[in-house]
Amino acid sequence: GAGVSQSPSNKVTEKGKDVELRCDPISGHTALYWYRQSLGQGLEFLIYFQGNSAPDKSGLPSDRFSAERTGGSVSTLTIQRTQQEDSAVYLCASSSRQAGETQYFGPGTRLLVL
Amino acid sequence: AQTVTQSQPEMSVQEAETVTLSCTYDTSESDYYLFWYKQPPSRQMILVIRQEAYKQQNATENRFSVNFQKAAKSFSLKISDSQLGDAAMYFCAYRPRYGNKLVFGAGTILRVKS
Repeated sequence: GAGVSQSPSNKVTEKGKDVELRCDPISGHTALYWYRQSLGQGLEFLIYFQGNSAPDKSGLPSDRFSAERTGGSVSTLTIQRTQQEDSAVYLCASSSRQAGETQYFGPGTRLLVL
Repeated sequence: AQTVTQSQPEMSVQEAETVTLSCTYDTSESDYYLFWYKQPPSRQMILVIRQEAYKQQNATENRFSVNFQKAAKSFSLKISDSQLGDAAMYFCAYRPRYGNKLVFGAGTILRVKS
């Protein structure tokens, strides 16, 4: 596609429920990143995928968070047993060596946990 | 650990005037990238400009230019001929050349007055 797309745009859920956030990177981009943007913590790195390599999960805040990338393209970020502190905007970005590894972002998913 | 500091939470500029946003960073790396991203209310993070640390020449993109002072670890953004559409949150970000995640500053809200 022309840019990084994310769905849903907004998600409201109840505490304790599981949510799935989706990211579709720019076609041909081999690297994919998830970040979280919250009022108290600013922008934080969550996880990074590069091709078929093992992902860098060093930013995931707890074991309730997981992500996968199927077929080297679309990625899903899953938050289990959501808590109110998970409320944030979740941003996805992708990059390629040809583009100098500059990260291009999607519009984000705003998650609100009630 | 690398850190990025934006000391101006908010700035205002008159339309058609020039404004400079400040950014300092801390790193022990010698080769890295620096970025300015713009985030309007739509949430989409838009790349404004990118600087490679090994290049002494300051990057320029139309009305946007940077003042990169490597020894001082300073990376300011100058916006010339400010337009109403420039109003947004601006983030300074750092990435080591061989790293993957971006480290962001806290952001500066730019208001443009007509």
